[in-house]
Amino acid sequence: KQEVTQIPAALSVPEGENLVLNCSFTDSAIYNLQWFRQDPGKGLTSLLLIQSSQREQTSGRLNASLDKSSGRSTLYIAASQPGDSATYLCAVQSGGGADGLTFGKGTHLIIQP
Amino acid sequence: DVKVTQSSRYLVKRTGEKVFLECVQDMDHENMFWYRQDPGLGLRLIYFSYDVKMKEKGDIPEGYSVSREKKERFSLILESASTNQTSMYLCASSLGHRTPYEQYFGPGTRLTVT
Repeated sequence: KQEVTQIPAALSVPEGENLVLNCSFTDSAIYNLQWFRQDPGKGLTSLLLIQSSQREQTSGRLNASLDKSSGRSTLYIAASQPGDSATYLCAVQSGGGADGLTFGKGTHLIIQP
Repeated sequence: DVKVTQSSRYLVKRTGEKVFLECVQDMDHENMFWYRQDPGLGLRLIYFSYDVKMKEKGDIPEGYSVSREKKERFSLILESASTNQTSMYLCASSLGHRTPYEQYFGPGTRLTVT
């Protein structure tokens, strides 16, 4: 059964720093990997999706990489801002495109002004 | 923009009641999903559907059922609500089942069963 782990569970950094969030998964036979952010009491906002054949995806200050063979993904946030404060969730889809996602428990990120 | 809406943001029900949670998407997506989110346990998949009238069990289907009579609407049913079903319920949808499309989430329904 697929398991997803995110490290660290919580992170607090000063504004302006570059930072890396880590995600690992136990079964490398994934279909895709998706990064989300969740603000308190809200739903999930999709940030990036990496297909199994891709190595990375970029959107603005965000860059996500995927190393399927080692079961790892990283989310790089450049020049962090207070508005980036949120919980970041990593999720993998292991079956086909219609299957549900298996989520990590998230990294709670605080950017100090 | 994809829009996934859920019928209620907050809901309070009594033990034993039948509860309906409704989800609607407006982008003609084939796939729809129901998850629940609990502190310390994260998000877990309850049920999903890849077509009208089709449904598949997720990781924790016990105590739940679903209905998908129209493509845009996916309902989660708690046949007899129990206190351990107090949770945040999140609905999601994605475009097709043959390609790795993103899942888009609704705002969630926080259900309290007393």
